[in-house]
Parts: sequence; C-alpha cells; structure tokens
Amino acid sequence: DAGVIQSPRHEVTEMGQEVTLRCKPISGHDYLFWYRQTMMRGLELLIYFNNNVPIDDSGMPEDRFSAKMPNASFSTLKIQPSEPRDSAVYFCASSGGYGYTFGSGTRLTVV
Amino acid sequence: DQQVKQNSPSLSVQEGRISILNCDYTNSMFDYFLWYKKYPAEGPTFLISISSIKDKNEDGRFTVFLNKSAKHLSLHIVPSQPGDSAVYFCAASALVQGAQKLVFGQGTRLTINP
Repeated sequence: DAGVIQSPRHEVTEMGQEVTLRCKPISGHDYLFWYRQTMMRGLELLIYFNNNVPIDDSGMPEDRFSAKMPNASFSTLKIQPSEPRDSAVYFCASSGGYGYTFGSGTRLTVV
Repeated sequence: DQQVKQNSPSLSVQEGRISILNCDYTNSMFDYFLWYKKYPAEGPTFLISISSIKDKNEDGRFTVFLNKSAKHLSLHIVPSQPGDSAVYFCAASALVQGAQKLVFGQGTRLTINP
C-alpha cells in the first residue's frame, strides 16, 4: 500500500495562473478530504467526497477553488486564477470510515 | 470561527521531561478527539485518540486527557525524546452524514532540547 499520493510536491506559479493539485487515495477508501494548512488557521477542511460525490464544500474559500473526483482513484483541486494568499500546503486525506490517512502535501507558492 | 483551538503555537521542553500540549474546543457535539503528529515535508500521522465517554487514554509514553465539562483536552508525553520534535495537531470529530469529519486546531510546534 503506497498510501495517499499527492502531486506535485511543490508548485510555484505566477499570480493569475491556473493551478491543479492531484491526489490518489488509498484503494478501498470511500472518503476523500482536501485540507489547507496555514500558520494562522492550521488545517482547514476545504471539501470532502463520499464515493466520488462532493458532500460538503462549505470550506472552499472562493469560487476560484473547485474540486472534482471523476473516479475512486483520483481527485483534483483547482485554483483559477491563483492569488498570492493561496500560498499554503494543501493536503489530501482518505478514509475508510474511521481514521484518516494523509498524503505528503503539495506546497503551493503563488508569486 | 475556530471550533478547535491550540493557543500555544510553540513549546520547548528539555529531553526527559514531560511535554504537555493543550487543546480547547467549543462544539459539544464532538464525540471523538485525536492527536496527529506532523514532521516537516510529511503529512500528519495519527498518534492517539480518546472517545468522549472516557477521560483518559494511554499508549506508551503518550497519554491524552479529556475534560468534557471544560471542553479541554491535553496530550502528555513522558519522557520527552528528541524524536518527538514535531508539530502536533489536535482534532475533534463529529459524525456528519455518515462520515467522521475532523476539525483541526492550528497546531503546536514542540521542540525537545537535548
């Protein structure tokens, strides 16, 4: 089991550009969560999916953020257009109903 | 609106002594509490948890205490070791639409000094 896999590990982009973060959950896990880590707010839940269906996206900060889960083994978080205040570490986690397994995160820097 | 708060951004403890990390929450619907540990460039990993029906759970050097009336929990590490240096996140769980939804605090950076 390779765990939750996120790509890229690091992303540096210019303000206004589109950014896509990717996540492959653990096989068999039916819940997938996207979190953002900042110094001020710690780990914030952005959105989560159950069986590929978005359940709660109330944590998505703005319409610039969108997330999809086209199948059980892949999810994306897109920011368009990106802004410097989006700079943070973005984590994906999956769960089989009890306990979360996190990926290693994507460190996003928007300049 | 921060439902789970860790008011100490950092803590420094001497090796061998006890480390105490604190966490407060506001939502009485939370029924499970967890601590996660995070090393640099890695994702958070589960450390220890406690159900709301208990007031203490122990696992080796790690003990979590829960005071429901005060809506407060703490993590005790004794004795502290250099490898314990990491960021610790407190999390509270509520069952929402069949999912265990975790709400995390801001994290406390623990540094163990030799």
